[in-house]
Amino acid sequence: GIQVEQSPPDLILQEGANSTLRCNFSDSVNNLQWFHQNPWGQLINLFYIPSGTKQNGRLSATTVATERYSLLYISSSQTTDSGVYFCAVYGGATNKLIFGTGTLLAVQP
Amino acid sequence: DTGVSQDPRHKITKRGQNVTFRCDPISEHNRLYWYRQTLGQGPEFLTYFQNEAQLEKSRLLSDRFSAERPKGSFSTLEIQRTEQGDSAMYLCASSWVLNSPLHFGNGTRLTVT
Repeated sequence: GIQVEQSPPDLILQEGANSTLRCNFSDSVNNLQWFHQNPWGQLINLFYIPSGTKQNGRLSATTVATERYSLLYISSSQTTDSGVYFCAVYGGATNKLIFGTGTLLAVQP
Repeated sequence: DTGVSQDPRHKITKRGQNVTFRCDPISEHNRLYWYRQTLGQGPEFLTYFQNEAQLEKSRLLSDRFSAERPKGSFSTLEIQRTEQGDSAMYLCASSWVLNSPLHFGNGTRLTVT
């Protein structure tokens, strides 16, 4: 089945810093989503981005489907950005969203 | 759009007991998914429905697990004879059609003592 790898696994930032999270996938995809899981376990949709670039406030995402990767940019990070960021894809022969291993982000004041 | 609703939020049960969780999807969504998440891991697929039909089940879904979606509306996930290894967060998600974005509920956290 399709493999989804995320990097880095852990990241510590000072408030106000910028960061880039990466998601690599092993097959062509029909859907790619980025999620933020907050400390209470809630999975929040950030982007639905099977290809191209989208921006939402301080966050933006780019998926280069032909090269099988996606990037999530966080600018001017805030402590509320802390949590785990997941990339998840539909692709290949699957009819379900397959999650990556996540990036644990800690933003310190 | 009231979002995906799950009940209960937390469940503590003794090993060997049966538990049932409920998920109410977003009303116009045809597809409903169940995932399980353990500490430090990403969510893992368990099963999904299109309307009332259960179309796929993961190998993670042992014969102690059963899911239903009567009339294509809400869904229930039952775990019989719970084991300590069943302790996890159980997440429900819904989407409109294949490849459209999934929207997750807040999950049910199960603790088996």
